[in-house]
Amino acid sequence: GESVGLHLPTLSVQEGDNSIINCAYSNSASDYFIWYKQESGKGPQFIIDIRSNMDKRQGQRVTVLLNKTVKHLSLQIAATQPGDSAVYFCAEAAGANSKLTFGKGITLSVRP
Amino acid sequence: NAGVMQNPRHLVRRRGQEARLRCSPMKGHSHVYWYRQLPEEGLKFMVYLQKENIIDESGMPKERFSAEFPKEGPSILRIQQVVRGDSAAYFCASSPKLLAGGVNEQFFGPGTRLTVL
Repeated sequence: GESVGLHLPTLSVQEGDNSIINCAYSNSASDYFIWYKQESGKGPQFIIDIRSNMDKRQGQRVTVLLNKTVKHLSLQIAATQPGDSAVYFCAEAAGANSKLTFGKGITLSVRP
Repeated sequence: NAGVMQNPRHLVRRRGQEARLRCSPMKGHSHVYWYRQLPEEGLKFMVYLQKENIIDESGMPKERFSAEFPKEGPSILRIQQVVRGDSAAYFCASSPKLLAGGVNEQFFGPGTRLTVL
C-alpha cells in the first residue's frame, strides 16, 4: 500500500550547522512532494515543495532533493537556527488537488 | 488575507456526545481537506470536499463521522457518539482551484484539539 516514512525519529544538530532530513516514499504514482514544519500546538506550515519532473529545488536556507529512482526525498536546512526546532513531515500526492499522505515526522532539535 | 480558520481550538466532550468542528478556508479557496493527527504521529487524510460535493472520503471511518462543505458557510466535520479513541487533533487545509498541471499546495489551519472524557 501507499506509505511515506522517515528513517530517523529525532535529529539533534548544533546551531549553525546544516541539517539533513530524509524521507522514503513508496507510491510510484506520486508526482508532488512537500515538506512541512509543525511547531507544538500549531498546524503544519509549508516549507518547500517539488514536482516529480524536478530533482532539486532551493528556497531560502532550504533545499529539497528528489531521487525518483530510489524513491527518496530529503530536506536540507543551511545554518540551522533555534527557530528551526520543530517536527518535520514529508508528504506526497498523486495528481492536482489530491490528498496528501504524510510520514510520521522527525523532531529537529537545535543545540545552542 | 486571513489564513485557514478553525474553531473551536479546543473541544472537550464526554463519551456519547457529538462533536462539531468548523473550518473556514482561505478566501478564494474552493477545496477543503480534513486530516486527523494522533499524538506523536503524522497527519492522516480523512476527507476531501469541494463546495457541496464530497470528492474523496476514503479516509473517513464508516460510522459516526460525516463531513460537509455547503454552498455558504464553513466546512463541518461531525463526529457522533464520540469515544475516547476519537481524541486527536483535527486539521483542515484548503487549496485553490487549480488549472491542469498546477501544484497542490494545501494551507493548514491551527487545528481543533478534541478530548473525549
